[in-house]
Amino acid sequence: EAGVTQFPSHSVIEKGQTVTLRCDPISGHDNLYWYRRVMGKEIKFLLHFVKESKQDESGMPNNRFLAERTGGTYSTLKVQPAELEDSGVYFCASSQVGQGPEAFFGQGTRLTVV
Amino acid sequence: RKEVEQDPGPFNVPEGATVAFNCTYSNSASQSFFWYRQDCRKEPKLLMSVYSSGNEDGRFTAQLNRASQYISLLIRDSKLSDSATYLCVVNMRAGGTSYGKLTFGQGTILTVHP
Repeated sequence: EAGVTQFPSHSVIEKGQTVTLRCDPISGHDNLYWYRRVMGKEIKFLLHFVKESKQDESGMPNNRFLAERTGGTYSTLKVQPAELEDSGVYFCASSQVGQGPEAFFGQGTRLTVV
Repeated sequence: RKEVEQDPGPFNVPEGATVAFNCTYSNSASQSFFWYRQDCRKEPKLLMSVYSSGNEDGRFTAQLNRASQYISLLIRDSKLSDSATYLCVVNMRAGGTSYGKLTFGQGTILTVHP
């Protein structure tokens, strides 16, 4: 069974550019989460989808970040325009309702803004 | 004050040693507790859930003290393969329809040497 997959694995962009990260959750998982780890800090929650609906977006840093999950399958996280402080590793995770607490993480997208 | 605090280490121990990690959380309304493991440049993976009664999985024992808001992980007979970052993770929900967002500690680095 395929796990959570994220694209790209690495991205280097210039300040002011736009980047779109993609996450494909485990098939059938309704819950999809985005997290971010900035260097030297803990992993922090960004937002949570249940199917196509945003359940909790309290962790989104500002309006330069836009997450979508059209059709309740894969999700995208767009950063526009990117700033230097957006650099970090962006993790996606998924879980299924009623199947226990485990959240399965993707390997992350390492974003560097220069 | 961070929501979840861990001693970042690093802990350097020889094979066969017993090592203990501690974690405290600030929100007394937290409902569920976990230890995740993260290998270098990999995604976090659930190691074990933590219950008030204490739970054991092979060489790993986890304990929760709700009164003190304290979580521990004990690793006995350390193996080289135990080298990783151990993440203390807290959730505000106990389950039901969704576990919601996870709150991470910064992680404790463990290196087991021959």
